[in-house]
Amino acid sequence: DTGVSQNPRHKITKRGQNVTFRCDPISEHNRLYWYRQTLGQGPEFLTYFQNEAQLEKSRLLSDRFSAERPKGSFSTLEIQRTEQGDSAMYLCATPLEGSTDTQYFGPGTRLTVL
Amino acid sequence: GQQLNQSPQSMFIQEGEDVSMNCTSSSIFNTWLWYKQEPGEGPVLLIALYKAGELTSNGRLTAQFGITRKDSFLNISASIPSDVGIYFCAGQDAGGTSYGKLTFGQGTILTVHP
Repeated sequence: DTGVSQNPRHKITKRGQNVTFRCDPISEHNRLYWYRQTLGQGPEFLTYFQNEAQLEKSRLLSDRFSAERPKGSFSTLEIQRTEQGDSAMYLCATPLEGSTDTQYFGPGTRLTVL
Repeated sequence: GQQLNQSPQSMFIQEGEDVSMNCTSSSIFNTWLWYKQEPGEGPVLLIALYKAGELTSNGRLTAQFGITRKDSFLNISASIPSDVGIYFCAGQDAGGTSYGKLTFGQGTILTVHP
């Protein structure tokens, strides 16, 4: 158990709806990462936080995606006006407190857009 | 997005056999990691490699960080049914605003027949 929790674990939504996912790491490491994984592929980097600051966004993160980390601990990822192509597993990862930058993943949120 | 070249894509082996998989990249990485993922779950860290040429073991698993820093391999000895899953290699960036971002291979699907 990495101590990284994600909610919800599964989300089914209709195209055009907004969805929000949450990541809660146990350790308060200053770095937090979001990845997206589609079927049959490895995870792909979406965005990265250093404390509250969002320091990098992948080109995969369209304008419909927004991520926050308001207190430098938990993080949220929102997708507005969902499209069927957004269907994927959304993964959050953080290093353990005091460790190197080796990333430990949460269980993910599986999004299905109908 | 960029992904590492991981091979083989899938393996079907008998219990007790040894397994080998590898990963190559056109880019240099400072850290190589190997993860295992089971259906509906996030990737679980198996082994982390921090230095070129490093050979590290974790039980029946052995991994090496290539001296060119562009490749890595993972060996599993005496496979057992619970080794079934998808194995991913990942290279970790360092420096600049991409500090710690992971780039993943496409995965190796391992099936172990009892």
